[in-house]
Amino acid sequence: GENVEQHPSTLSVQEGDSAVIKCTYSDSASNYFPWYKQELGKRPQLIIDIRSNVGEKKDQRIAVTLNKTAKHFSLHITETQPEDSAVYFCAASVTSGSARQLTFGSGTQLTVLP
Amino acid sequence: NAGVTQTPKFQVLKTGQSMTLQCAQDMNHNSMYWYRQDPGMGLRLIYYSASEGTTDKGEVPNGYNVSRLNKREFSLRLESAAPSQTSVYFCASSALTDTGELFFGEGSRLTVL
Repeated sequence: GENVEQHPSTLSVQEGDSAVIKCTYSDSASNYFPWYKQELGKRPQLIIDIRSNVGEKKDQRIAVTLNKTAKHFSLHITETQPEDSAVYFCAASVTSGSARQLTFGSGTQLTVLP
Repeated sequence: NAGVTQTPKFQVLKTGQSMTLQCAQDMNHNSMYWYRQDPGMGLRLIYYSASEGTTDKGEVPNGYNVSRLNKREFSLRLESAAPSQTSVYFCASSALTDTGELFFGEGSRLTVL
């Protein structure tokens, strides 16, 4: 099955700096790569995703890049703010039948210091 | 719309007891999932249901059973709880779309003593 590794497990940045979280995946058939944000005590929520036919996608201060050859993808957050503090999960999936089975990374605790 | 609703939010069990986690979604989604979340291990898929009437094992199915009661409801049952099943459980649903975005419930914190 798919295996997703995520680094770093914790990340502290000063407010206004950039943050980068990296993930690698093992299954070359994976074709969808979402990122979820989970605030303390809350449910995970999708913040951005990318498909395997796209190399980069941006949405305001967040961007995701994908390198299919190397099988890794990254989340970039610019101009970080205190409300960006949360746990971020990457994931990879292949459609199995009619359902997508997401395999998640182990998460990155991002702390934005004021 | 309430989205994905799961109950109970908190539960304490003794080893060997049984219980059922309930999940319902009102978004007319075809696919539903049960994940468990443990510190440092991310979210791991227990079981999923691609559509009404079908269920399949995920990464960590041992010790669990599921029922897709209808399109809206997907329950997770622990027949004989063990301390290793202490975790936060999330139900999720997704439409049959290319993106497959998961919509999660608020989570159920289960402690097995």
